[in-house]
Amino acid sequence: GAGVSQSPSNKVTEKGKDVELRCDPISGHTALYWYRQSLGQGLEFLIYFQGNSAPDKSGLPSDRFSAERTGGSVSTLTIQRTQQEDSAVYLCASSPDRLSVGANVLTFGAGSRLTVL
Amino acid sequence: AQRVTQPEKLLSVFKGAPVELKCNYSYSGSPELFWYVQYSRQRLQLLLRHISRESIKGFTADLNKGETSFHLKKPFAQEEDSAMYYCALREYNQGGKLIFGQGTELSVKP
Repeated sequence: GAGVSQSPSNKVTEKGKDVELRCDPISGHTALYWYRQSLGQGLEFLIYFQGNSAPDKSGLPSDRFSAERTGGSVSTLTIQRTQQEDSAVYLCASSPDRLSVGANVLTFGAGSRLTVL
Repeated sequence: AQRVTQPEKLLSVFKGAPVELKCNYSYSGSPELFWYVQYSRQRLQLLLRHISRESIKGFTADLNKGETSFHLKKPFAQEEDSAMYYCALREYNQGGKLIFGQGTELSVKP
């Protein structure tokens, strides 16, 4: 697609439920990133994929958070047993292959706003 | 560990005034620095990167390795500059994540 697509754009859930957030990166972009944006916390790195592998998962806040990427394209971020503090905007970004012109420049999606009641 | 610090949460200036958004970083290697901007109801987008040495929308930023800073400057602020600005760092010429600062909200008043 022309840009990074994220779904759902808004999700309201009850505490304790599981949620899945989806990211469809720009076609051909090999790197994919998940960030969390919340008031007062700025942009918090969660996880980074290069192809289907995740060389850096250091930002996942707890074992309730997991992410996968299949076929080097779509990625899903799953939050199990959601808590109120998980409420935030979850941003996905992608970038071209590291050897390409424009590598290291991230293109962001519009985000998925999660509200946990 | 890599860290990016933006000391000001909110910066409010009048139209036509100079503006400087501060960014300091800590990194032992050779970093690549960026400024990203998010206008109201829009996506986060790249404003400029230090290796390009360019001026975008009148904004410039110089990497000062001695002071480990990458402050964003504009001599005459415009109302349309009002937005959230994020400074970010990545290890130069390597794959990997961007580390973002906490962001500075710029408000330009008429």
